[in-house]
Amino acid sequence: QKEVEQNSGPLSVPEGAIASLNCTYSDRGSQSFFWYRQYSGKSPELIMSIYSNGDKEDGRFTAQLNKASQYVSLLIRDSQPSDSATYLCAVNRPQGAQKLVFGQGTRLTINP
Amino acid sequence: DTGVSQDPRHKITKRGQNVTFRCDPISEHNRLYWYRQTLGQGPEFLTYFQNEAQLEKSRLLSDRFSAERPKGSFSTLEIQRTEQGDSAMYLCASSTTGGTRGSPLHFGNGTRLTVT
Repeated sequence: QKEVEQNSGPLSVPEGAIASLNCTYSDRGSQSFFWYRQYSGKSPELIMSIYSNGDKEDGRFTAQLNKASQYVSLLIRDSQPSDSATYLCAVNRPQGAQKLVFGQGTRLTINP
Repeated sequence: DTGVSQDPRHKITKRGQNVTFRCDPISEHNRLYWYRQTLGQGPEFLTYFQNEAQLEKSRLLSDRFSAERPKGSFSTLEIQRTEQGDSAMYLCASSTTGGTRGSPLHFGNGTRLTVT
């Protein structure tokens, strides 16, 4: 089992709709969860962080965390073509060094 | 704050040659990370520094790879005797200490290595 798992997609969503991206993780002790956006040929860019169970909203983005189910998700409301990118879920490892473990990413395409 | 800077952006080398990459982190960040990313995959952890101390190195990293951060500022990643399987994007990231919750990583633009 991978430490962090995402559906690789591609996920295709019409413009203006809600895009839902999901991530599961294996280490119950993980405490910090991040979503990064990566455009083709570019480096990952942080868009959301979440540390507590529940929802966290930032503009059109909402991160949701459920530690009991070891599940974290990202919702993008009013999807725009510029949201087309790969979305990476990252989870910190609680033991030892504070490094992030990344999922393989979900490729999202917003269709005009 | 000029962000994380990496040099070069692209490197093409022949199999068997040595290559060295440089990373300059965000100035107030004491942690520096190296990741490797291949097409269709997420970044894979290679190694990590806190100030000048290398605190962790991936078990996946062969002895051909070495990294330094001599004064706790910039870092270099050297790959000796490159192989075609080393072709990837090498990403540098930095962060603050962040306590028990960890801190988000801020990535540079990466160095794309092609081994022919």
